[in-house]
Amino acid sequence: GQNIDQPTEMTATEGAIVQINCTYQTSGFNGLFWYQQHAGEAPTFLSYNVLDGLEEKGRFSSFLSRSKGYSYLLLKELQMKDSASYLCAVITGGGNKLTFGTGTQLKVEL
Amino acid sequence: DAGITQSPRHKVTETGTPVTLRCHQTENHRYMYWYRQDPGHGLRLIHYSYGVKDTDKGEVSDGYSVSRSKTEDFLLTLESATSSQTSVYFCAISAAGTGADTQYFGPGTRLTVL
Repeated sequence: GQNIDQPTEMTATEGAIVQINCTYQTSGFNGLFWYQQHAGEAPTFLSYNVLDGLEEKGRFSSFLSRSKGYSYLLLKELQMKDSASYLCAVITGGGNKLTFGTGTQLKVEL
Repeated sequence: DAGITQSPRHKVTETGTPVTLRCHQTENHRYMYWYRQDPGHGLRLIHYSYGVKDTDKGEVSDGYSVSRSKTEDFLLTLESATSSQTSVYFCAISAAGTGADTQYFGPGTRLTVL
């Protein structure tokens, strides 16, 4: 079976740094995606990791450890617009099929 | 933004009625996917297509069928809608089926089955 775990909710302060963790146990692994989803909107792509290490893209970075089945998304210089749900998804088989975690609802406060 | 549209955007229907949701893309991408999103479950794959007339089941395919008669359109049909199929349905597309190929999502369809 497939199991992807993320914290349900997190709260952080504007201007701060927040780390959202994702652990996975899946039958097969071909890469890990992070998506951002604002309420009532579609998920939008943030990052992709397939090799161990850190991928940096502006204020957002994503880390992967395949041996530990672990990833995190790091958001720096938080802004109010970063309040959203962050979805961790693992590619678990052919056809680029994604298995998603239930998402982490991030609230950024003043 | 990827050229993906979904129709209708909102629908209310009654139990037992057939419902068809449409996903249309202008990107000429080979792969198309249907997901449903429910509180506490996240996004779950219903069916996907890897080409015209080529489809396969996902994690939660019971009660759903799909068709893809041309590259740009992927239809999801609920033959006899049930209240458990009340959900938000997202279509996604990707250019290829390789691991590095990002899936881009449409705006979603909110379906309520009374």
